[in-house]
Amino acid sequence: DQQVKQNSPSLSVQEGRISILNCDYTNSMFDYFLWYKKYPAEGPTFLISISSIKDKNEDGRFTVFLNKSAKHLSLHIVPSQPGDSAVYFCAARANFGNEKLTFGTGTRLTIIP
Amino acid sequence: DVKVTQSSRYLVKRTGEKVFLECVQDMDHENMFWYRQDPGLGLRLIYFSYDVKMKEKGDIPEGYSVSREKKERFSLILESASTNQTSMYLCASSLAGGVIETQYFGPGTRLLVL
Repeated sequence: DQQVKQNSPSLSVQEGRISILNCDYTNSMFDYFLWYKKYPAEGPTFLISISSIKDKNEDGRFTVFLNKSAKHLSLHIVPSQPGDSAVYFCAARANFGNEKLTFGTGTRLTIIP
Repeated sequence: DVKVTQSSRYLVKRTGEKVFLECVQDMDHENMFWYRQDPGLGLRLIYFSYDVKMKEKGDIPEGYSVSREKKERFSLILESASTNQTSMYLCASSLAGGVIETQYFGPGTRLLVL
């Protein structure tokens, strides 16, 4: 039972344009969401997060949007750069104080120069 | 900088062998995790540990066990390796506390079971 889903396994975007990665979840107890980025042969690294009390969080070129009613979050990267080519995982945590994260299936983003 | 290291980058084992994957973190983190990453399935949690000698099952613990004798070290054990355990194994650690702390990952061990 996949509680966190990333329905697009891959995405190609022209350099300089906006990349939009989507994530849907089913568990209404999730209260904190994170995006991780993974290069080949490396472990995932934290990118950006958002609490369920917010609907937007921005960090430089990266913005995460949360729509709680739709149980949907998205990651926007503007402008996209070749170094952004990687696999992106969204992750969610249920309940305050619970350290366990549930990860999505990942989206491979390719930035075309 | 948090450092999470894994003992091997690549491993090739035979079916039925006992396999040990070691993970060490240097930031005094209470929490440690073992995941496996498979195409189309993302990262799935095998086991996690909140403290020394404490462990809890994740989503897919079958066929695995873990050991945490020291705070900095978390071992994943495949008692009798099978071909369906061929995967990328990722270890992570995080600080305990009320405020969410991101998990820091090691580089991964790619295990092939023949």
